[in-house]
Amino acid sequence: DVKVTQSSRYLVKRTGEKVFLECVQDMDHENMFWYRQDPGLGLRLIYFSYDVKMKEKGDIPEGYSVSREKKERFSLILESASTNQTSMYLCASEPGQASNQPQHFGDGTRLSIL
Amino acid sequence: KQEVTQIPAALSVPEGENLVLNCSFTDSAIYNLQWFRQDPGKGLTSLLLIQSSQREQTSGRLNASLDKSSGRSTLYIAASQPGDSATYLCAVGAPSGNTGKLIFGQGTTLQVKP
Repeated sequence: DVKVTQSSRYLVKRTGEKVFLECVQDMDHENMFWYRQDPGLGLRLIYFSYDVKMKEKGDIPEGYSVSREKKERFSLILESASTNQTSMYLCASEPGQASNQPQHFGDGTRLSIL
Repeated sequence: KQEVTQIPAALSVPEGENLVLNCSFTDSAIYNLQWFRQDPGKGLTSLLLIQSSQREQTSGRLNASLDKSSGRSTLYIAASQPGDSATYLCAVGAPSGNTGKLIFGQGTTLQVKP
């Protein structure tokens, strides 16, 4: 079974801090994704990556950056955390578009910015 | 811009009932359509993936259909059980370079009463 592991289930940070959310997958997947999920807004794509050191902006990239130095790890960075970034963050991976396989999700990180 | 809508937002049924969840999308140029389940406070679990060339997929008590021309998909759950209680999300895969970006509906929250 594919395992997507997010480093923290719950995280509390202060406004202005630099925050790192880590995600690791163990199935050698090419593509990785970061979403945030908010009540009434659903899941929205922040950034995705289709290869090591490659990244593309999703629908709401403002205030975020990402890093993919190794194939199995995809990090989401909040450069200067703000209260409107309080949310549930979900990481996902998939083998690659040509495989037509489903995305596999981690359990999520519930982030609170005070 | 692709938009995905799920109706109803919430559904409550007695155990044993057969039920249908609906998903509609505005742009028929899709790569695939995926159905997910989300339990409270957890990540998403893939249920079914229908490729754009397919009409339906089945897994156990679940059957998902796809009609691209009308922009609709349905998830049929047979003989519902209390353990089926969860939020069900549909997502449309839209080709984007090397990855299949997913655009999610807001979900249908299902409660199956014993």
